[in-house]
Amino acid sequence: GAGVSQSPSNKVTEKGKDVELRCDPISGHTALYWYRQRLGQGLEFLIYFQGNSAPDKSGLPSDRFSAERTGESVSTLTIQRTQQEDSAVYLCASSFTGGLNNEQFFGPGTRLTVL
Amino acid sequence: GNSVTQMEGPVTLSEEAFLTINCTYTATGYPSLFWYVQYPGEGLQLLLKATKADDKGSNKGFEATYRKETTSFHLEKGSVQVSDSAVYFCALSDRGYSSASKIIFGSGTRLSIRP
Repeated sequence: GAGVSQSPSNKVTEKGKDVELRCDPISGHTALYWYRQRLGQGLEFLIYFQGNSAPDKSGLPSDRFSAERTGESVSTLTIQRTQQEDSAVYLCASSFTGGLNNEQFFGPGTRLTVL
Repeated sequence: GNSVTQMEGPVTLSEEAFLTINCTYTATGYPSLFWYVQYPGEGLQLLLKATKADDKGSNKGFEATYRKETTSFHLEKGSVQVSDSAVYFCALSDRGYSSASKIIFGSGTRLSIRP
């Protein structure tokens, strides 16, 4: 595709509900990353996929957060029993490989608001 | 752990002014350094990068030099334009548990240019 796409662009949910965020990486990119950006802060790394597997989940903040990836394509980030502190913009990025200097291309993000 | 500290904003300048946004980092090993930019309503995109000490990254009139002795990667532009108004993020690549290259971001600096 032309770029990384994410859906929905905005999501408002009530505390305690589950949400699912979707990322479509650039076609042919084997590496996929999820980041979170809280208001006024930098981006926090959440998880990295190489193909279907996730060799680095070190940034997931709690067991309420999980992610999966189908093939070398779509990824979903699921947040269970959402809390107000989960409110943030969730960014997805992809790169051709997971190598150190491979440029990561970012999607527009999903803005999640937990009421 | 590795971290990035950048100049707090917002920064407001007049058109054609000289720009410096300071960035310093803490890292073990030899990370690659990046500046990302987020224009209003758009996704995060790579502005420039440097992969080793004394390298200079440049793009769109912006420059930054990888200074190992001062652990800095300051962003500069000689004459800013209104179209440069955006949020700028300094970042470094950090090898995680595998060969993954997750990116550690600074908190961002909002730049506004007055006509």
